[in-house]
Amino acid sequence: ELKVEQNPLFLSMQEGKNYTIYCNYSTTSDRLYWYRQDPGKSLESLFVLLSNGAVKQEGRLMASLDTKARLSTLHITAAVHDLSATYFCAVEIRGSNYKLTFGKGTLLTVNP
Amino acid sequence: KAGVTQTPRYLIKTRGQQVTLSCSPISGHRSVSWYQQTPGQGLQFLFEYFSETQRNKGNFPGRFSGRQFSNSRSEMNVSTLELGDSALYLCASSLGTGRPNTEAFFGQGTRLTVV
Repeated sequence: ELKVEQNPLFLSMQEGKNYTIYCNYSTTSDRLYWYRQDPGKSLESLFVLLSNGAVKQEGRLMASLDTKARLSTLHITAAVHDLSATYFCAVEIRGSNYKLTFGKGTLLTVNP
Repeated sequence: KAGVTQTPRYLIKTRGQQVTLSCSPISGHRSVSWYQQTPGQGLQFLFEYFSETQRNKGNFPGRFSGRQFSNSRSEMNVSTLELGDSALYLCASSLGTGRPNTEAFFGQGTRLTVV
């Protein structure tokens, strides 16, 4: 059974600081997703990572994938308050027809 | 273009009742997946439909069922509601084919409260 572990689960940061969220998974994956969720809202797609060594960046967020280590990272650069949200990674196994297995999420709070 | 539409947005039901939730995918998308989100269990996969056929199912009891219509709209039904069914139910829409450059987009969700 595929297991997806995120850490940390809670992250309190100062504005302007950098930090990384880690996502480990237990089985060879087809795709890895990062989503953002604001309180009471739906999931907003941030990145889809398809292959080993993939790196994608959008604004202050950068995601990478190491399929050999079964590890993805979401790096936050110079955090701002607007980045406060819960971040989820999700893994899709080839042939699973869009069945995503999610990590427990990282609640990020960026303090002024 | 229009996103994934879920109705209703909020529901309050009594234990023992049944409920039907609806999801209209993005135009052209043929795959619809359903997820349950609770504080304790997180996000869990319920099932996925493509062209009116269920292709995948998660580990939920038979009280949870779904279907998909020819226009790709999907419904999810929960019978004999329990307090533990209180959750945010999310559906996700995707092309379903044309891999690998496809991804799933989520609707706003239906917040179900069972009392």
